[in-house]
Amino acid sequence: DIRMTQSPSSLSASVGDRVTITCRTSQSISIYLNWYQQKPGEAPKLLIHAASRLQSGVPSRFSGSGSGTDFALTISSLQADDFATYYCQQSYSTPQRTFGQGTKVEIK
Amino acid sequence: EEQLVESGGGLVEPGGSLRLSCSASEFTFTSYTMSWVRQAPGRGLEWVSSISSFSDYIYYADSVKGRFTISRDNAKNSVFLQMNSLRADDTALYYCTREAIAVTVYSFDYWGQGTPVTVSS
Repeated sequence: DIRMTQSPSSLSASVGDRVTITCRTSQSISIYLNWYQQKPGEAPKLLIHAASRLQSGVPSRFSGSGSGTDFALTISSLQADDFATYYCQQSYSTPQRTFGQGTKVEIK
Repeated sequence: EEQLVESGGGLVEPGGSLRLSCSASEFTFTSYTMSWVRQAPGRGLEWVSSISSFSDYIYYADSVKGRFTISRDNAKNSVFLQMNSLRADDTALYYCTREAIAVTVYSFDYWGQGTPVTVSS
């Protein structure tokens, strides 16, 4: 099974900060990596698919990068609406669809 | 806009059964693999099961294999999860999801609001 390790598990940041969350996989998965945002009491929302492709309707301050085993989600200028938990997820290993443990972004 | 609505969750005793349903609308249901993803209270996301467009491919997480059965009714735009031999660690919010493909990469692009399952005596 492919193991996913997100870091940090939580972070505190201010509005306007640049924030980067990383996701490392236990084996190479090419670009088969997606990112989701989940706000309290809501369902997860797809932000980035195929490592770097912005999902339709997602603000351009979100970006994804990486391939192989190391990936990153960057928020260029954190907004109040972005305080949430973020998950990475691999779809390389069929049928397993493994998620990272999540990164909670909190207000400093 | 595409919509997924789950139902069927509730409180059940250990060893009991529940059948979850998910009704899909505003998209061509037969074009998509459908999946269930769950989230235990205060925990992360866990993929549970997937079923391809015409039920020719069905997959389960090891944690539910042999106890859960996924199925779909394309005439009714619905997907189901029959859960038997339920255990306390099956307690979670169960999300119905649509699996899309782009650039050969699958992702869960639409999610329902979830239906809660509590396994307790």
